[in-house]
Amino acid sequence: KQEVTQIPAALSVPEGENLVLNCSFTDSAIYNLQWFRQDPGKGLTSLLLIQSSQREQTSGRLNASLDKSSGRSTLYIAASQPGDSATYLCAVEGSNYKLTFGKGTLLTVNP
Amino acid sequence: DARVTQTPRHKVTEMGQEVTMRCQPILGHNTVFWYRQTMMQGLELLAYFRNRAPLDDSGMPKDRFSAEMPDATLATLKIQPSEPRDSAVYFCASGLVGQMDIQYFGAGTRLSVL
Repeated sequence: KQEVTQIPAALSVPEGENLVLNCSFTDSAIYNLQWFRQDPGKGLTSLLLIQSSQREQTSGRLNASLDKSSGRSTLYIAASQPGDSATYLCAVEGSNYKLTFGKGTLLTVNP
Repeated sequence: DARVTQTPRHKVTEMGQEVTMRCQPILGHNTVFWYRQTMMQGLELLAYFRNRAPLDDSGMPKDRFSAEMPDATLATLKIQPSEPRDSAVYFCASGLVGQMDIQYFGAGTRLSVL
């Protein structure tokens, strides 16, 4: 059974810092890995999707990497802003489009 | 602005009552997912449909939960009878197979069973 772990569970940084969120998964037989953002009381918004054959994806200040063989992914956020404060969830897709989620990292960016 | 719509947003009920949650997927999407989110377990997949047919409901307690898609614009998740341990946020997501596998989430239904 796939298990996804995210470290740290919570992170607080001052505005402007670069930061890294970590995700690990136990079964490397995945189709893709996705990073989502969840704001309080809201649903999830997909940020980046990395196909299993890819090593990284970039969108604006976000960069996600994937090392499938070691079961790891990182989400790098450059020049963090207070608006980046949210919970970030990592999810891996196995067979039949089923996503297994980590429990998330709660990020607080202080002005 | 296409989005997944879930109703109700909040539901408070008493133990033993029936609860029905509704989801309107994005028009044209052919896959619908139901998830449950709790502090302890995080996000868990309950069931999902492709072209209105149930593909997997292994994450759902069969004795009290049921999920259906009466038509392409409506998915329902029912709990009967509800129990306090069902208290959670229930999310619906939809997607289009072959379109980068991105799932688009609704805002969720926050259920409290007293």
